[in-house]
Amino acid sequence: EAQVTQNPRYLITVTGKKLTVTCSQNMNHEYMSWYRQDPGLGLRQIYYSMNVEVTDKGDVPEGYKVSRKEKRNFPLILESPSPNQTSLYFCASSFSRLGGNGYTFGSGTRLTVV
Amino acid sequence: DQQVKQNSPSLSVQEGRISILNCDYTNSMFDYFLWYKKYPAEGPTFLISISSIKDKNEDGRFTVFLNKSAKHLSLHIVPSQPGDSAVYFCAASDDKIIFGKGTRLHILP
Repeated sequence: EAQVTQNPRYLITVTGKKLTVTCSQNMNHEYMSWYRQDPGLGLRQIYYSMNVEVTDKGDVPEGYKVSRKEKRNFPLILESPSPNQTSLYFCASSFSRLGGNGYTFGSGTRLTVV
Repeated sequence: DQQVKQNSPSLSVQEGRISILNCDYTNSMFDYFLWYKKYPAEGPTFLISISSIKDKNEDGRFTVFLNKSAKHLSLHIVPSQPGDSAVYFCAASDDKIIFGKGTRLHILP
């Protein structure tokens, strides 16, 4: 089944404790992206990757890092999480950054930083 | 400044009637417009899209209309069903996809 898999689905952590949210896709997509969803703010892009070893900042990159060492994986790293990073995170992938075919999203990771 | 705006946070529609979700945009360079549907505890799923060179695209119960002069698009769902209750995101694409804030649709029995 074609899908984007995120782990974990739920995570509660403490301020300052480094964490990684994994994302993997099995569709051979070149483009991958991370979004966060917050009430009243919709989906905001954190980082994206056009291909292996190519990453770039989205609209809200502060406090996050990403890497793209393999085509299928695009982990999101929070080196020192803070409470304002409490949010619902989605990974997405597509053949292209552009166009009308849309992105395939993972099921989401709900992160709480206390 | 928001390039893609969904001005109605929520909408309630009777089952069997037409649901109309609206979206406005500011960038005339957008080449595709998309609608996503999101259930609680799930990721958004792609619903339907329309190219900027068209004014209508239909897929079953879902039709998207594009009015470029007004920079406005709408999603029509006919007839509305209980399973359509979800949050709907409008999105637009130029060199990336930009999402609106979403509209929560409630289908009333």
